[in-house]
Amino acid sequence: EAGVTQFPSHSVIEKGQTVTLRCDPISGHDNLYWYRRVMGKEIKFLLHFVKESKQDESGMPNNRFLAERTGGTYSTLKVQPAELEDSGVYFCASSQGGGHQGPYGYTFGSGTRLTVV
Amino acid sequence: AQSVTQLDSHVSVSEGTPVLLRCNYSSSYSPSLFWYVQHPNKGLQLLLKYTSAATLVKGINGFEAEFKKSETSFHLTKPSAHMSDAAEYFCVVSDRAGGFKTIFGAGTRLFVKA
Repeated sequence: EAGVTQFPSHSVIEKGQTVTLRCDPISGHDNLYWYRRVMGKEIKFLLHFVKESKQDESGMPNNRFLAERTGGTYSTLKVQPAELEDSGVYFCASSQGGGHQGPYGYTFGSGTRLTVV
Repeated sequence: AQSVTQLDSHVSVSEGTPVLLRCNYSSSYSPSLFWYVQHPNKGLQLLLKYTSAATLVKGINGFEAEFKKSETSFHLTKPSAHMSDAAEYFCVVSDRAGGFKTIFGAGTRLFVKA
């Protein structure tokens, strides 16, 4: 089966511009998660979708970040306007259910490296 | 509150020698603990997980980890390092008190010398 796909793999944008990251989860996975690793820091949870609904968005840093999952399939994460501190690697993961506690675990994508200059 | 501390940011070993990557955690409830590995330009891959069954957990690629509640540790080991083990490793905790949120350690980069 295809894994979790993220694109672009790399993005370099100027401060103030808009960038949209996309994540295609494994087909049939209702749960989709976004994480971020800012340079030199831990990987941090951003938000969790169950199908098209936001289950938990407590990790979203501010209102410049907007995540959507229309139709419960792929998800987008838009940063508008981008700031220098948004640079980092954005990971997406999907799961059949039960989250990390469940039997299925997570499958992570390879991430999008965002550089804001 | 949950937390994870990976005690070494970098570990360097020679090929064929044992690997030890250290992880300590803090959790109010019985935690689930995981180790992930990330090779360059690849996604995070689950190595192994502990979810309150056997305290010695065997994972892929010859790795294993032992859950020690008294020491609040979950160290990752491998008897003999291979060049392909060079990567970054993440210790992760998740528990009910944290709403099953996933808390990552800062990562340990493993270097393997020929």
